[in-house]
Amino acid sequence: KAGVTQTPRYLIKTRGQQVTLSCSPISGHRSVSWYQQTPGQGLQFLFEYFSETQRNKGNFPGRFSGRQFSNSRSEMNVSTLELGDSALYLCASSLGTIDRVPNYGYTFGSGTRLTVV
Amino acid sequence: DQQVKQNSPSLSVQEGRISILNCDYTNSMFDYFLWYKKYPAEGPTFLISISSIKDKNEDGRFTVFLNKSAKHLSLHIVPSQPGDSAVYFCAASEAGTASKLTFGTGTRLQVTL
Repeated sequence: KAGVTQTPRYLIKTRGQQVTLSCSPISGHRSVSWYQQTPGQGLQFLFEYFSETQRNKGNFPGRFSGRQFSNSRSEMNVSTLELGDSALYLCASSLGTIDRVPNYGYTFGSGTRLTVV
Repeated sequence: DQQVKQNSPSLSVQEGRISILNCDYTNSMFDYFLWYKKYPAEGPTFLISISSIKDKNEDGRFTVFLNKSAKHLSLHIVPSQPGDSAVYFCAASEAGTASKLTFGTGTRLQVTL
């Protein structure tokens, strides 16, 4: 069973540019969540998509946006990149039950390492 | 405002001994807690979880303890193995927003020979 696939693995962008990251969840999983990991901050929740709709949102500025397609694949977009956006971006997938955490936790991809210069 | 705190950035334990990783939280609405292990250049891997209605959950070498009154949980690894060397994150979620995990900043565990 294929895991969560994130592309690309590494990305270097210039300040002011925009970037799109992709996440393909485990087959059958309908929920995709995105997290940002920076040194000293741990992992911070960005947003969650379920059945093509944003269901939960973290405390990030509007420059961070996402979407989900009918096949559950999700993309995350960051516009007007800032140096502070340099981070590891992780996505996690699950079947999507909102009221309880699945007993298998959430399955994370290996992440996209974004460097803004 | 760090709602989930792992106050020990690092921990070194000898192989075969017990590793105890600690986590404190401030949000009384958290009702589910998870532990993840992370190797460099990989995503976090789920280890074990516990619901707030329990105070202990065990899975092989891993046991998680929850003290709700103290808002404290801990992960015990017995016996520790060199392959356990990684960064460990605790995470928590609130009822009704299960997909939104709040993570601690992680503890780097080094298991020495």
